[in-house]
Amino acid sequence: AQSVTQLGSHVSVSEGALVLLRCNYSSSVPPYLFWYVQYPNQGLQLLLKYTTGATLVKGINGFEAEFKKSETSFHLTKPSAHMSDAAEYFCAVSVNAGNNRKLIWGLGTSLAVNP
Amino acid sequence: DGGITQSPKYLFRKEGQNVTLSCEQNLNHDAMYWYRQDPGQGLRLIYYSQIVNDFQKGDIAEGYSVSREKKESFPLTVTSAQKNPTAFYLCASSPHPAGEQYFGPGTRLTVT
Repeated sequence: AQSVTQLGSHVSVSEGALVLLRCNYSSSVPPYLFWYVQYPNQGLQLLLKYTTGATLVKGINGFEAEFKKSETSFHLTKPSAHMSDAAEYFCAVSVNAGNNRKLIWGLGTSLAVNP
Repeated sequence: DGGITQSPKYLFRKEGQNVTLSCEQNLNHDAMYWYRQDPGQGLRLIYYSQIVNDFQKGDIAEGYSVSREKKESFPLTVTSAQKNPTAFYLCASSPHPAGEQYFGPGTRLTVT
């Protein structure tokens, strides 16, 4: 079965430090990959997506992610964490579901940013 | 402004009552989705619809029902058959099935 694994349900960094959130997927076909952010009691907001083309994808709020097919990974990074980055982050992959497609979601990583 | 609206933000019901959650979008998207979110369990797909008058069960459809009579609207009914209805419910839409989904603000349902 296709799946998405986010390593680390909780990640804590200091303000100004590198943010690295890990995502690995299993898919038998080239995937579409997504990262979303969720603030408490709100909906999810798309940070960035990979469909085809350049494997380094830039998103909003200074985040970027790199698609590595050989490692089946799509890790999310930001060079310098800000207090406002504290939130829940979800990785997702688009997969076939019969005649349709749907997103398979990771369980999320909660990012804490310490002053 | 284009977007997805969900109402109400908070909803309280007594056990045994059916309740309908509203989801409306003005993005002209064909596909719409309902998810349930519980702490530590990520997002679980309840139902999805890729065109008007058609919808499919997701991974946890039991105890839920939907309709898609209009492109803009995809209401979710939580029936009394749903054993653990208390959760955060998220509606999303997408311009095409393989693409990114756009989310509403969510409805937090509490059943006592």
